[in-house]
Amino acid sequence: SQQGEEDPQALSIQEGENATMNCSYKTSINNLQWYRQNSGRGLVHLILIRSNEREKHSGRLRVTLDTSKKSSSLLITASRAADTASYFCATDYGPNQGGKLIFGQGTELSVKP
Amino acid sequence: DTAVSQTPKYLVTQMGNDKSIKCEQNLGHDTMYWYKQDSKKFLKIMFSYNNKELIINETVPNRFSPKSPDKAHLNLHINSLELGDSAVYFCASSQAGAGEQYFGPGTRLTVT
Repeated sequence: SQQGEEDPQALSIQEGENATMNCSYKTSINNLQWYRQNSGRGLVHLILIRSNEREKHSGRLRVTLDTSKKSSSLLITASRAADTASYFCATDYGPNQGGKLIFGQGTELSVKP
Repeated sequence: DTAVSQTPKYLVTQMGNDKSIKCEQNLGHDTMYWYKQDSKKFLKIMFSYNNKELIINETVPNRFSPKSPDKAHLNLHINSLELGDSAVYFCASSQAGAGEQYFGPGTRLTVT
């Protein structure tokens, strides 16, 4: 299976703290993406990092990619209660795979006010 | 304006019935997808269409039949529903090669 793995499965922190989630995958990728899912809602795209990139920032989000270790991490700085959600990494193996995304199991983040 | 919409939002039906879920996107994308999310939140690709042509069929039972009347619509018809079909079904769209996908709000299907 190409499915990635995420850890931790659940993370509970206080507002203002940083949250780090990790993702590992099995075969070479075209890009890796992170998505957020609020309870009962659809997924929202957060950030995409290409296989030739090592780090990317978007607001309070920082994503790193280590292709030698086949792993990525998502850091959310200065977390807020509104960041409470499930976070998924998704790997894209390129147009030859029809653009399909392979999702990890997700990390459930709870930010307490 | 809703980018990717799905109807219905909730669907409760009995085993053996046939049901359809509709999806529409107004983003002008050329690729649309169906994903299934189970009770443990595991998301798995089911189908992908590019310009009305089936690109991906991920070993989904042939009781599931997608149909794309035009590139803005991708519907999912399910025959002879089974208990194990209970899940949340998400439609998504993207521009081929762009990577980023836009998801609909999901359809929660419950088979009793």
